[in-house]
Amino acid sequence: GAVVSQHPSWVICKSGTSVKIECRSLDFQATTMFWYRQFPKQSLMLMATSNEGSKATYEQGVEKDKFLINHASLTLSTLTVTSAHPEDSSFYICSARKDAYYEQYFGPGTRLTVT
Amino acid sequence: AQKITQTQPGMFVQEKEAVTLDCTYDTSDQSYGLFWYKQPSSGEMIFLIYQGSYDEQNATEGRYSLNFQKARKSANLVISASQLGDSAMYFCAMRDTQGAQKLVFGQGTRLTINP
Repeated sequence: GAVVSQHPSWVICKSGTSVKIECRSLDFQATTMFWYRQFPKQSLMLMATSNEGSKATYEQGVEKDKFLINHASLTLSTLTVTSAHPEDSSFYICSARKDAYYEQYFGPGTRLTVT
Repeated sequence: AQKITQTQPGMFVQEKEAVTLDCTYDTSDQSYGLFWYKQPSSGEMIFLIYQGSYDEQNATEGRYSLNFQKARKSANLVISASQLGDSAMYFCAMRDTQGAQKLVFGQGTRLTINP
């Protein structure tokens, strides 16, 4: 149990366009989902925390207008990178959690390349 | 604020040998959780082992064990009888006990198992 999927697994987009990444909890209801960003050979950096039905909480330094997060249901959260630029190229990982006392389950990640 | 430190950027070990990956942490909380994750080149985050701050016994999961020394604030991962498939990035993480209980990650250690 506790499977989290991400779609797409990789995406290439042109500079200036927007791209949406989906994170789904397949066999449990996730009250909280987290979005991370990881640059090559670096650690995971938390971008935002989202709770179903409420606005996401962004970490300091993360542009909320650029990285739009929507946690529309207990099984789906989306991250939209708006007006993407080459510096947004990165590995984006989501995780989902049932409630505060459960561990986070990670998705397989989405590799975004902006040309 | 909580902080995780992994001081070994890279480790090289012969197959079948045991290896210890270091992790120290800093927190003022009495209740916290410590995690180790493995990230192979595919990018997925694989949960390995968990240690609660009040757990009296060191956690073990198959070939993985956590050497928890609370007074020294260290939570080293020990992998016994290393295998070629153990080559990956390893991240130590601490669960923030405040607010959304986010995970705080260390910088990671790249482990390479030589045949």
